[in-house]
Amino acid sequence: QKEVEQDPGPLSVPEGAIVSLNCTYSNSAFQYFMWYRQYSRKGPELLMYTYSSGNKEDGRFTAQVDKSSKYISLFIRDSQPSDSATYLCAMSRIKAAGNKLTFGGGTRVLVKP
Amino acid sequence: NAGVTQTPKFQVLKTGQSMTLQCAQDMNHEYMSWYRQDPGMGLRLIHYSVGAGITDQGEVPNGYNVSRSTTEDFPLRLLSAAPSQTSVYFCASSSTANYGYTFGSGTRLTVV
Repeated sequence: QKEVEQDPGPLSVPEGAIVSLNCTYSNSAFQYFMWYRQYSRKGPELLMYTYSSGNKEDGRFTAQVDKSSKYISLFIRDSQPSDSATYLCAMSRIKAAGNKLTFGGGTRVLVKP
Repeated sequence: NAGVTQTPKFQVLKTGQSMTLQCAQDMNHEYMSWYRQDPGMGLRLIHYSVGAGITDQGEVPNGYNVSRSTTEDFPLRLLSAAPSQTSVYFCASSSTANYGYTFGSGTRLTVV
């Protein structure tokens, strides 16, 4: 079983809808949680970063971490066609050598005009 | 400010050939890593470095070598290419203050 699980999708939504993405993980030592967005044939880019539990909001994006359930979420409000991409969750342990990340497999999102 | 620069963007190798994937960053980041991305497998860590002269293995290090003689550069060497190394390779860098990694645009490698 993988340390970080993520539904591969694809997740198709109409423009303006809320996109809901999530990951589950098994290692309780993970303390840093991130979401990356990856457009086709591009490198991942960091969207959101959260330390430990709680919520974080940045514009149309909200990240949530529930460490008791080992579950993290990303919500995209008022989705746009430009949000069509693969979204990767990633996490790391506190004081991990080199800040090593463990990634989920990614969820492909398609926002239809 | 270029960020993380990878060269080449595309490469085709024959089985048994060797090559070096180049990676450079201009953000003075201490940490650098190499990942490979395969369909259904996500991003997997090959090697990483916590500073000049210090490297260590990740999850899938076999068939790859790295060195880090400067803070800026972190090349990845394929010693004897195999078809199983066909993949997209990403270099990434991070500061010690764990705010996530900055990725390069990737190298698409095909081994025939």
